[in-house]
Amino acid sequence: GAVVSQHPSRVICKSGTSVKIECRSLDFQATTMFWYRQFPKQSLMLMATSNEGSKATYEQGVEKDKFLINHASLTLSTLTVTSAHPEDSSFYICSARDRSPRGQGEKLFFGSGTQLSVL
Amino acid sequence: GQNIDQPTEMTATEGAIVQINCTYQTSGFNGLFWYQQHAGEAPTFLSYNVLDGLEEKGRFSSFLSRSKGYSYLLLKELQMKDSASYLCAVKGFGNEKLTFGTGTRLTIIP
Repeated sequence: GAVVSQHPSRVICKSGTSVKIECRSLDFQATTMFWYRQFPKQSLMLMATSNEGSKATYEQGVEKDKFLINHASLTLSTLTVTSAHPEDSSFYICSARDRSPRGQGEKLFFGSGTQLSVL
Repeated sequence: GQNIDQPTEMTATEGAIVQINCTYQTSGFNGLFWYQQHAGEAPTFLSYNVLDGLEEKGRFSSFLSRSKGYSYLLLKELQMKDSASYLCAVKGFGNEKLTFGTGTRLTIIP
């Protein structure tokens, strides 16, 4: 199946620093990618939809100035957590669909996730 | 908007069968997904239902009733490795995104 690569897998940073997370579709092009956040023992909460070549669409309650999303190419989307604070500590996961002819239609492929810990 | 409900936790015995239910209320419906997620890992795809009925895939089956806003995931011949969270997710009509339920944490006991 399609592969979505996400890194880093784990980040520990000091409060006030910025952290960039990369999400790449390795063998397909993704015009749209999704960023989710997951707190311990909770489900995935959609943060934003990343659109190649245009602005991201943020879900209600998600600060667009704090969570900067850039989708500059068909295979790469980045999420930058600016001025991170302890309450931003969470598991961040990206995902994408393979819309190519050989793709698997509606199936959403996930990256391996990034565990962010802000001290 | 979307509202998706599933039990928080379930326990089942190795070798047995377990059914995990999911109910949803949505403003539009264009498919329901089940994902498996082990702790600290990304979710992996299990099944996709867009029409009513049962989809069987090995030990896992998924059922959908659109009129009732109801789905279940059936796991047979349970194995210890099936201990994980099972996430129900709905795709709205006319958009790409998935909305996930709270997930059901399944524990398999010997």
